[in-house]
Amino acid sequence: DQQVKQNSPSLSVQEGRISILNCDYTNSMFDYFLWYKKYPAEGPTFLISISSIKDKNEDGRFTVFLNKSAKHLSLHIVPSQPGDSAVYFCAASGPNRDDKIIFGKGTRLHILP
Amino acid sequence: SQTIHQWPATLVQPVGSPLSLECTVEGTSNPNLYWYRQAAGRGLQLLFYSVGIGQISSEVPQNLSASRPQDRQFILSSKKLLLSDSGFYLCAWSPGGGGWRNSNQPQHFGDGTRLSIL
Repeated sequence: DQQVKQNSPSLSVQEGRISILNCDYTNSMFDYFLWYKKYPAEGPTFLISISSIKDKNEDGRFTVFLNKSAKHLSLHIVPSQPGDSAVYFCAASGPNRDDKIIFGKGTRLHILP
Repeated sequence: SQTIHQWPATLVQPVGSPLSLECTVEGTSNPNLYWYRQAAGRGLQLLFYSVGIGQISSEVPQNLSASRPQDRQFILSSKKLLLSDSGFYLCAWSPGGGGWRNSNQPQHFGDGTRLSIL
């Protein structure tokens, strides 16, 4: 039973355009959401997070949007750059102090020249 | 500053052989520790989770086990490896007691171990 779902295994976007990565979750207790970026043969690195008290969080080229009623979040990358080509993982956690961070399966983003 | 060490980087093992992967964290105390596996088409799957010494939560039934003999040491083991155990294994830590939330680095990953079973 997957609690965090990334339904697009891959996405190709032209350099300079906007990349939109989507994520859905099923557990209504989740109240904290994260995005990670992973290059091959490396560990994931943290990108950006959002608490359920917000619906948007922005950090440079990266913006995360949260729609609690739809249990949906998305990561926008504007403008997309070649170095953004990587696997992006959506993750979520509940409010209890020892709640685990649960990851989705990831979306591979290809930035086309 | 905190660092996480995971070794070896790559490992080739025959079916039926034992396994021991080690992960250590420096520069913090009482971290939450995680073992993940990234297998083809399976994404980042949480295998084990520990909030303290000797406290291990297993997330999926499998051929592997984990132990936390010291506060900052997390070990992934198997008595007999299966072909299906192949994958990329990642150790991670986060501040304990919910301290990772709203941190600028909520969870830190090691560089991973590529395990190939022949």
